[in-house]
Amino acid sequence: RKEVEQDPGPFNVPEGATVAFNCTYSNSASQSFFWYRQDCRKEPKLLMSVYSSGNEDGRFTAQLNRASQYISLLIRDSKLSDSATYLCVVKGFTSGTYKYIFGTGTRLKVLA
Amino acid sequence: GAGVSQSPSNKVTEKGKDVELRCDPISGHTALYWYRQRLGQGLEFLIYFQGNSAPDKSGLPSDRFSAERTGESVSTLTIQRTQQEDSAVYLCASSPGTVPEAFFGQGTRLTVV
Repeated sequence: RKEVEQDPGPFNVPEGATVAFNCTYSNSASQSFFWYRQDCRKEPKLLMSVYSSGNEDGRFTAQLNRASQYISLLIRDSKLSDSATYLCVVKGFTSGTYKYIFGTGTRLKVLA
Repeated sequence: GAGVSQSPSNKVTEKGKDVELRCDPISGHTALYWYRQRLGQGLEFLIYFQGNSAPDKSGLPSDRFSAERTGESVSTLTIQRTQQEDSAVYLCASSPGTVPEAFFGQGTRLTVV
């Protein structure tokens, strides 16, 4: 089983739609959680951290369920510019050190 | 610059040659990570440096791969006797101790022909 699992997609949605991505992680001792965005042939960039209480940044809402080891990202009113791969990232103490473990990403394509 | 800087941005090398990739982390960031991303795939952890502690090399795929970092500054990733399967984007990230997020460089695209 992968440490961080995501549905690879692609998710093809029309402009203005609401779309949700889910992610599960296997290490219950994981401490920090993030969503990164990666555009084609570019480096990953931090979209938002994910907090236990849930957090919102404009059209983006992230939630964490520690009991179920599940993270979500909701994008409202999708824009063409939201088209990218969204990476679920978990930071935890494994094999003696802290590491960022990346999911393989979920591809989103917003259609005009 | 304020971000993580990697060089070269692109490298084409012949099979069997050695290559050296460089990463300049954000000033003051104590943690430095190397990842590999093959075409269409996710990020694969290679190695982690934290200050002056012994690095975590558990992700290095073979003994052809090695990395060094001097203190909290520049890191170099060396691949000896390159193989075609080494072709990938090699990403470096750094992180301060004060916040948990990591910040990535633009990567080095390595092509072994």
